[in-house]
Amino acid sequence: NAGVTQTPKFQVLKTGQSMTLQCAQDMNHEYMSWYRQDPGMGLRLIHYSVGAGITDQGEVPNGYNVSRSTTEDFPLRLLSAAPSQTSVYFCASSYGKISGANVLTFGAGSRLTVL
Amino acid sequence: GENVEQHPSTLSVQEGDSAVIKCTYSDSASNYFPWYKQELGKRPQLIIDIRSNVGEKKDQRIAVTLNKTAKHFSLHITETQPEDSAVYFCASLTPDSWGKFQFGAGTQVVVTP
Repeated sequence: NAGVTQTPKFQVLKTGQSMTLQCAQDMNHEYMSWYRQDPGMGLRLIHYSVGAGITDQGEVPNGYNVSRSTTEDFPLRLLSAAPSQTSVYFCASSYGKISGANVLTFGAGSRLTVL
Repeated sequence: GENVEQHPSTLSVQEGDSAVIKCTYSDSASNYFPWYKQELGKRPQLIIDIRSNVGEKKDQRIAVTLNKTAKHFSLHITETQPEDSAVYFCASLTPDSWGKFQFGAGTQVVVTP
């Protein structure tokens, strides 16, 4: 199993550009989520999904969009990048509520810089 | 919604000593409390977790204790080693908002030889 795969690992954008961070998992996890990590602020939940076709907002959803058309993929879209979105982004997944397995498996992270 | 406060933000310990990190949560309905370790430049990884029906859980040199009345839980690392140097995050999960993991701000632990 590859686990949780994120691409790209690094990205530099100009203000106003759009881009998509990709996340894929091969563990048949129902739950997938996106976090951003900023110094001194821990991991903050952006969006999450409890299954294909179901998404919901987390703590800091503004400026980001998600969709979940398959169990494996959960892309995060930045609609119009702003310097405040400079951060390290982590995708994480788990089996889901029904299974009672709450352990998150994280991807390697994507470092985004917005100029 | 749930709020998790984590203290201290930094912790320096001598090798062989113990380290304790404490987290306080606000929602009494929270029932799952994991701890994640993140080494420099790496992804967070679960090291131990506890559910609300248990007061303490141990795994070798690490342990987690839960005080539901006071709404706080703590990570204890005994006989610290240089490889314990990392950022540690606590988190909580509430059944009614399953999926909305709430993380603490993190504790930078430095173990000096």
